Amino acid sequence: DAKTTQPPSMDCAEGRAANLPCNHSTISGNEYVYWYRQIHSQGPQYIIHGLKNNETNEMASLIITEDRKSSTLILPHATLRDTAVYYCIVRVARKGVIKAAGNKLTFGGGTRVLVKP
Amino acid sequence: GAVVSQHPSRVICKSGTSVKIECRSLDFQATTMFWYRQFPKQSLMLMATSNEGSKATYEQGVEKDKFLINHASLTLSTLTVTSAHPEDSSFYICSASRPSGDYNEQFFGPGTRLTVL
Repeated sequence: DAKTTQPPSMDCAEGRAANLPCNHSTISGNEYVYWYRQIHSQGPQYIIHGLKNNETNEMASLIITEDRKSSTLILPHATLRDTAVYYCIVRVARKGVIKAAGNKLTFGGGTRVLVKP
Repeated sequence: GAVVSQHPSRVICKSGTSVKIECRSLDFQATTMFWYRQFPKQSLMLMATSNEGSKATYEQGVEKDKFLINHASLTLSTLTVTSAHPEDSSFYICSASRPSGDYNEQFFGPGTRLTVL
């Protein structure tokens, strides 16, 4: 699976949008971009994923560049509870095949986001 | 949504004893379960992958005789840390995978904090 690069930390103001960048310049055509976050002393929580098109759900929006070499996770209105480490992960989808290797999530360093009042 | 539980949430044990951690998928059958370890201020490191009814696949550098994994059913996997030592103190997180469309969703447990005295 392709490697990702994220800034180690960033601060954002409560109520403002938080834009979290991720570089994945070696991404392959069949690899998805996933975002998870981990609040202190908890297990990771799935946020969103996408392949080519921009995606939005109740938690966030995912913007993927046309060449797919980078993406941005947007938290539209950051709250104090959004303080967490955010992980961008690239992973191959395995259509119709349930293989352990295809499920692996490799976590990088992530971005430590601190939402300030 | 899919729920994964871990028990215990935290455990303190004496050096040389063994500790068992349970991971359960509460409302779905997990084709694969994963075990991660996380040291303070570090990212999650995959330890092993297990499929129900078969031997676990360990990542490089993880001692299979020390970290025993049993995946007896589609809803339960256990990790036993044998002859625990202070350096095994860590946050252990499991995840459970189920197929969804053309990929496999992965859901994380809340983690187990192990402290070895």
